[in-house]
Amino acid sequence: GAVVSQHPSRVICKSGTSVKIECRSLDFQATTMFWYRQFPKQSLMLMATSNEGSKATYEQGVEKDKFLINHASLTLSTLTVTSAHPEDSSFYICSAAEHLVAKNIQYFGAGTRLSVL
Amino acid sequence: EDQVTQSPEALRLQEGESSSLNCSYTVSGLRGLFWYRQDPGKGPEFLFTLYSAGEEKEKERLKATLTKKESFLHITAPKPEDSATYLCAVQALSQFYFGTGTSLTVIP
Repeated sequence: GAVVSQHPSRVICKSGTSVKIECRSLDFQATTMFWYRQFPKQSLMLMATSNEGSKATYEQGVEKDKFLINHASLTLSTLTVTSAHPEDSSFYICSAAEHLVAKNIQYFGAGTRLSVL
Repeated sequence: EDQVTQSPEALRLQEGESSSLNCSYTVSGLRGLFWYRQDPGKGPEFLFTLYSAGEEKEKERLKATLTKKESFLHITAPKPEDSATYLCAVQALSQFYFGTGTSLTVIP
């Protein structure tokens, strides 16, 4: 099956610093990548959708300048949490989808646990 | 309004006790319905995708079915290792909608 690698799996940082999370599709080219945030015992909350080479589409209420998304290639997307604060602490998950063969199935990374002190 | 609702929120089963999880949806232009399994602290793992009413998919102890209004995930003779949160997602046109999940606990 399709494999999506997300790194790092856990990060602890000081308030005010920036954190970059990488999401790679290892064995397929992802037409679209998605970034989600998940709070304890809640479902996934879509933050943004990105297509390779174009600007990400952010969901309502998600700050574009706070959560920078770069989708530089068909296999790599990054999420940078800028000037992180304790309220940004959460579980961030990426997914990648391929439209032609995999018919829009989203394959998820293992997630990144961000703790901001 | 497009919506996906999963029930029950939580389900406790004895090992071997079969049951079903429900995912009901109201969306315009269904393009696909997806079932995922999520273990604590992990990303969702893809299980099934269904595209049209009447379609069924099976994998080991799991069987997913789809009608025009809902999908069921049937679990036959579950084992403790089936304990997880099961998420349902619906794609309508270009949007994906996730349900809040069913937390399944299988007791030995």
